[in-house]
Amino acid sequence: DAGVIQSPRHEVTEMGQEVTLRCKPISGHNSLFWYRQTMMRGLELLIYFNNNVPIDDSGMPEDRFSAKMPNASFSTLKIQPSEPRDSAVYFCATTFGAADTQYFGPGTRLTVL
Amino acid sequence: KQEVTQIPAALSVPEGENLVLNCSFTDSAIYNLQWFRQDPGKGLTSLLLIQSSQREQTSGRLNASLDKSSGRSTLYIAASQPGDSATYLCAVRGGATNKLIFGTGTLLAVQP
Repeated sequence: DAGVIQSPRHEVTEMGQEVTLRCKPISGHNSLFWYRQTMMRGLELLIYFNNNVPIDDSGMPEDRFSAKMPNASFSTLKIQPSEPRDSAVYFCATTFGAADTQYFGPGTRLTVL
Repeated sequence: KQEVTQIPAALSVPEGENLVLNCSFTDSAIYNLQWFRQDPGKGLTSLLLIQSSQREQTSGRLNASLDKSSGRSTLYIAASQPGDSATYLCAVRGGATNKLIFGTGTLLAVQP
């Protein structure tokens, strides 16, 4: 298996633009997590899905952030409009079963100018 | 609210030394605890997962222990190598959800 795939790996955009991050989970995994990592706040959970259904989005910072999982093979995290403080590395992680380990993708480094 | 702390924040040791990384958490009602490794510019790689009913897990030169009652976990690395240089993060999962709460990490440098 290729592991968790994220795209793009790097994104540079200007303030106010829409940004869409993508994640393809490991085949067969039924839970998907979006995390954000910054120097100041460390690694934070934004939202997670179980069987394509959003279970907990309490970590989503504000209405500018939205996430979808239209099917078991694909998820998106969208920021509209983007702001400089959104600059961070965004990770997607997936797992099968509640007790299993989480497998992380390589991350998307987002820079908002 | 669960809080996870890792000490030290950074550690530098000569190659061959045995070392211990510490992780503490404020709420002992956890489902499991995981130790991850993160290399610069890369994602996280899971090293060990300890269920709440377990006391320790071992994988090669790594040994992780868990003391739920005191809210502590340690990661022991035996005979450290330069290739062990990375940031090590611990994360706890609460009993009711799949959410992982991460510590801030320990940056390890093993000098050849």
